[in-house]
Amino acid sequence: DAKTTQPPSMDCAEGRAANLPCNHSTISGNEYVYWYRQIHSQGPQYIIHGLKNNETNEMASLIITEDRKSSTLILPHATLRDTAVYYCILNNAGNMLTFGGGTRLMVKP
Amino acid sequence: GAVVSQHPSRVICKSGTSVKIECRSLDFQATTMFWYRQFPKQSLMLMATSNEGSKATYEQGVEKDKFLINHASLTLSTLTVTSAHPEDSSFYICSAAGRRYEQYFGPGTRLTVT
Repeated sequence: DAKTTQPPSMDCAEGRAANLPCNHSTISGNEYVYWYRQIHSQGPQYIIHGLKNNETNEMASLIITEDRKSSTLILPHATLRDTAVYYCILNNAGNMLTFGGGTRLMVKP
Repeated sequence: GAVVSQHPSRVICKSGTSVKIECRSLDFQATTMFWYRQFPKQSLMLMATSNEGSKATYEQGVEKDKFLINHASLTLSTLTVTSAHPEDSSFYICSAAGRRYEQYFGPGTRLTVT
């Protein structure tokens, strides 16, 4: 039970922003929202995580709704190398990660 | 981000033999490491949680006598697949927990049992 719901696939034009949604309506107060991505035949790569405030780093921005029931990962200028499966995962600091199906993002030229 | 390595990256072995996969955190100490398995076109499935200096905790359905995990130091965990069979062929991935509980994943090891 991954506890998050993501669309199975999305397309994005190269150079445009990619907005990947995630629903987590049953999130509990001490669970963080983590985002990882997996490029084909590689290990997952950590992107960003947050608790309730929006977060930004060199890779992406994370927008969490005020009720924390959903979030959006934003890749501001998608490139072809951003084509990957993106996983939204809830984690109670230190516990193991449960991977769902993720969203397969295809960035097209 | 932190770097986690795995060795070997790819291994082919005969049915009935054992294979050891190493997972190292290169620039940080990891009290906890995790082992995952991923079959083609599927998501990662957690196999076990490895804590330095103690016995690993296995997920339901994962045989601890078949998948031996040793976490002898803060930078090294090993997974040994004993008496491997073709159905054990998979992509094995380890991860190490950082100070802010984010997990850093290794590049994975593709095991093929013939």
